[in-house]
Amino acid sequence: QLQLQESGPGLVKPSETLSLTCTVSGGSISSNNYYWGWIRQSPGKGLEWIGTIYYSGSTYYNMSLKSRVTISVDTSKNQFSLKLNSVTAADTAVYYCARQPLEETGRFDYWGQGTLVTVSS
Amino acid sequence: DIQMTQSPSSLSASVGDRVTITCRASQSISTYLNWYQQKPGKGPKLLIYAASSLQSGVPSRFSGSGSGTDFTLTISSLQPEDFATYYCQQSYSTPWTFGQGTKLDIK
Repeated sequence: QLQLQESGPGLVKPSETLSLTCTVSGGSISSNNYYWGWIRQSPGKGLEWIGTIYYSGSTYYNMSLKSRVTISVDTSKNQFSLKLNSVTAADTAVYYCARQPLEETGRFDYWGQGTLVTVSS
Repeated sequence: DIQMTQSPSSLSASVGDRVTITCRASQSISTYLNWYQQKPGKGPKLLIYAASSLQSGVPSRFSGSGSGTDFTLTISSLQPEDFATYYCQQSYSTPWTFGQGTKLDIK
């Protein structure tokens, strides 16, 4: 059964870089049938799509975050990662990774359980 | 960006009730509409995609309808495990956007 697990620091200081990794098990991140995405959830902004990557490395991002976001993939480890730089308190949220089927990349058909990241000094 | 508006924001119901949640898009999205269920401490679970297609493994008491700008999620007979928060999401164009959620709790 497919599982996605987010990992990374739960506390990040303002102006620093938030770094998270999603480990995929029970399936291959190199499958040409899926994209892989990051979404966050905060009380203030609800659910917000951050960006998406294909195993080849092609990416697309939410323009509202694009200047600060980098998503990368490591097929040898079956992982993909998120970096968000210059964070502020507004970036405090639960961050989720999810799978997106190729036939409709805007759909998220499997999600991780999420990891809370707090931005605070 | 396409704005998604759900109503109601919260809803109290009893086991066995029929419940309907609505979602409105700020512009036409054809049938590029998905519904998710979220329970506390968990990631969202896909229930319905393409407005009316049931995701594999989801009970048939869940159904979706609509096209264009107006959509509904119906639960035909509430079960105890259905008390959760429900979100709609448009997959018509990026940035993909979500509704604010409808919290369904026990009356």
